[in-house]
Amino acid sequence: AQTVTQSQPEMSVQEAETVTLSCTYDTSENNYYLFWYKQPPSRQMILVIRQEAYKQQNATENRFSVNFQKAAKSFSLKISDSQLGDTAMYFCAFMKHVSSTLGRLYFGRGTQLTVWP
Amino acid sequence: DVKVTQSSRYLVKRTGEKVFLECVQDMDHENMFWYRQDPGLGLRLIYFSYDVKMKEKGDIPEGYSVSREKKERFSLILESASTNQTSMYLCASSSGDRGTGELFFGEGSRLTVL
Repeated sequence: AQTVTQSQPEMSVQEAETVTLSCTYDTSENNYYLFWYKQPPSRQMILVIRQEAYKQQNATENRFSVNFQKAAKSFSLKISDSQLGDTAMYFCAFMKHVSSTLGRLYFGRGTQLTVWP
Repeated sequence: DVKVTQSSRYLVKRTGEKVFLECVQDMDHENMFWYRQDPGLGLRLIYFSYDVKMKEKGDIPEGYSVSREKKERFSLILESASTNQTSMYLCASSSGDRGTGELFFGEGSRLTVL
C-alpha cells in the first residue's frame, strides 16, 4: 500500500510571508503523480498543483510551487506572499501511473494552515 | 462550470436507520469515489466505481455499499447506521484519462448518527 505522511497537523503564517508545507510518501513505483489539494473552511476541495514524477522540473502555479525530491520521496508545497484566502486544510496525495489503479489517490492526513493578518 | 453535487449537506439519523447519500456529476466522468473525512485521519476511501454498475472496495468498505446505475450518479448506502459512522462524506469524480488524476469534489455531506 502507498502511504503519504504530512508531519505538520497545523501551521500558521502572517499575511505576505512565505510558508512551506511538508509531505513525504512511500512507494516502490517509479512512475507516479503527486498532488496538493486545498480545502477551505466549509468549501469544496480543489486541486492546487500537480507534479509528474518523471519530470525533474518542479511544478509552479502562480504563488504555489513544489520542491519535489524523488530520491528522498519528499514533496513540499511552498506558498509565497500568503493571503488570508489561503487559510485552509491542505492535503498531499499520491497516484500510481498504471492502468490498474483507476485513478485512485492516496491522501495524507492534512495540514491546517492559518494565515494571520 | 463543472460540478459534483451531493444531495444533502447535513443529515441527522438514528442508529439502525438506512441512509442514502447521493452524488451527481455533470462532467461525463468515468470514475467516481466516496471518501470519508475525519479529523486527524485525512481522507479514507470507502468505495469507487470506474463504470456503470461497476464498483471496487476501498480501504474502509465495511458497513457501506454503493450503487451506480447511471454514469452520472453514485450513491453511498449505510444499511444500518451506527454512531461510528458519524463523519463527513465526500464524493469525487475524475475522467477516465488517468494521466491527469485530478479529482473534482462535492461540498460534502456531514452525517450525524445518534
